[in-house]
Parts: sequence; structure tokens; C-alpha cells
Amino acid sequence: GENVEQHPSTLSVQEGDSAVIKCTYSDSASNYFPWYKQELGKRPQLIIDIRSNVGEKKDQRIAVTLNKTAKHFSLHITETQPEDSAVYFCAASWGGNKLVFGAGTILRVKS
Amino acid sequence: DAGITQSPRHKVTETGTPVTLRCHQTENHRYMYWYRQDPGHGLRLIHYSYGVKDTDKGEVSDGYSVSRSKTEDFLLTLESATSSQTSVYFCATHRDGLETQYFGPGTRLLVL
Repeated sequence: GENVEQHPSTLSVQEGDSAVIKCTYSDSASNYFPWYKQELGKRPQLIIDIRSNVGEKKDQRIAVTLNKTAKHFSLHITETQPEDSAVYFCAASWGGNKLVFGAGTILRVKS
Repeated sequence: DAGITQSPRHKVTETGTPVTLRCHQTENHRYMYWYRQDPGHGLRLIHYSYGVKDTDKGEVSDGYSVSRSKTEDFLLTLESATSSQTSVYFCATHRDGLETQYFGPGTRLLVL
């Protein structure tokens, strides 16, 4: 079955710097890769996703890149702000069903 | 939030007792999922449903059962709760043909 590894487990950045979180997946059949943000005590919320027919996707300060050959994908947050502090999860699946999640990255943005 | 509610939101129970968690959605989504969230493990799939009375096991299904008798409700039952089932449980749904999964607010379960 699918296995998703996520790094780093914690990441501290200065406000205004960029943050990068990386994930690798094992199943080459996976074609859908969402990223979720979870604030303390809250539910995970989708922030961006990418499908295997696309190499990069951007939404304002957030971007995701996908390298199908290497089976890895990354989340890039530019101009980080204190409200970006949260736990971020990557996931992989075929067709959006049965998501397999990474272990999560705690992002701290220091002001 | 895709109209997903979970009940109860918090529960404390004793080892060996049965526990049922409820997920209710108002979006008429076909697919529903139960995940558990534990530190260092992210979210792990317990069971999922692809329609009324159609369910299947996920990655960590041992000790759990589910039922879906109506589109809007997906029940997760711990037949005999153990301390290892102390966790936060999230329900999620998505519409047929769209991949985005929406999560409920979660249920925090403590098994003593």
C-alpha cells in the first residue's frame, strides 16, 4: 500500500522568510496530493492540492510542486506570517479516496 | 466546513466499555471516512464508506466497526474500548467525482 514520509517534523522560520515542507510517496499509481493545515484544537483544512498531470500550482503565498519521477512533492510558503504557524500534513491517494497522510510538520513563524 | 458534525465532541470512558461515535453530514456526499489522529502518526484511516451499507476497512481497522444505514450518518463503534484507542477521531466526506475531503470538528476520546 501507499506510504508517505514527511520532513521536517518541526520547522522554525522568521516572519517574512520562506518555508518548505517535503513529502515522498511510494505508490506510483497515486495521482492526487493535497496539503492540509491544522491549527491547535481545530480540524484539518485543505490549503492546496495538486494532481499528477500538473507539475506546479500556486495560490497567493502558497505553492506546491510535484516530481512524479522521484515521487516527491513539496509545499512552499513565501513571506511567512505568524498566522501561518500550524501543523501541516501532506497526503497522497488515487482519485481522492483513502488518503494516506504524512506524520505532519509543526511550523512556527517567529515574529 | 461542508456541514459535517461529530458527536460527542469529548468522551471519557473506561476500558472494556462499548463506545459509538457519530458523524453527520448535510451535503449528501457519497464517501465518508473515519480517521484517528495520534502524535507522530498524522491521520490514519480506520474505515470508510462509499455508499449506504457499503463499507470497507482502512489501515488501522482492528477493534473498530462501522455502519452506514443512511447517506448522512456514519457510525464508528469501539466494541470494547482499550487505552490504545485513546485518540482524536475525525470524520471526513467527499463528493463523488471530486477529490477534496472535508473534515468534521473531531471527537476527543479518552479511555481510562
